[in-house]
Amino acid sequence: QKEVEQNSGPLSVPEGAIASLNCTYSDRVSQSFFWYRQYSGKSPELIMSIYSNGDKEDGRFTAQLNKASQYVSLLIRDSQPSDSATYLCAVNFGNEKLTFGTGTRLTIIP
Amino acid sequence: GAVVSQHPSWVICKSGTSVKIECRSLDFQATTMFWYRQFPKQSLMLMATSNEGSKATYEQGVEKDKFLINHASLTLSTLTVTSAHPEDSSFYICSARGSLGGDEQYFGPGTRLTVT
Repeated sequence: QKEVEQNSGPLSVPEGAIASLNCTYSDRVSQSFFWYRQYSGKSPELIMSIYSNGDKEDGRFTAQLNKASQYVSLLIRDSQPSDSATYLCAVNFGNEKLTFGTGTRLTIIP
Repeated sequence: GAVVSQHPSWVICKSGTSVKIECRSLDFQATTMFWYRQFPKQSLMLMATSNEGSKATYEQGVEKDKFLINHASLTLSTLTVTSAHPEDSSFYICSARGSLGGDEQYFGPGTRLTVT
């Protein structure tokens, strides 16, 4: 069974610090990986996609992918209270669908 | 770019009636659309995948006769909840993937359905 695992949290980080969110997945042949942010009562919003090993940066967000270790992470620099949300890791296992983790709830403490 | 809309954003209906939810990709062509359901404090649950012009593929446990999906064009998919019951009350969210070059799915804002 293809699975995506995340620590459900909650993860509390002081404002201005780096928040680190982690995700592992079960299938080595996975090709594409995504991070979504979901505020309470809202739908998910795509933050980052990553397809190749290494780091990908977009503003305060950096996604890191290590296919050998089957691990993808999201770093949020200079965390802001508005970053408080649930972060969903999603993996395309090659069957058109995305498999989502259960999400990590992040709270930024002012 | 990559904007997906849903209509209505919320709906209240009586038990036994049917409700139609529309999902539109506004600035790209969506070759594939997905329908999810999310109960409070729970994960997203994929209900079905639809490709333009084809029958939808439903996930195990989702009743295809109850949740009718039509993907008639590259910018529009509809979900009809037939003979709705209170247990169908949930947050229904569509997503679209298409002509933008990657595997990214872009989500609509969701439709909150309450069945009384």
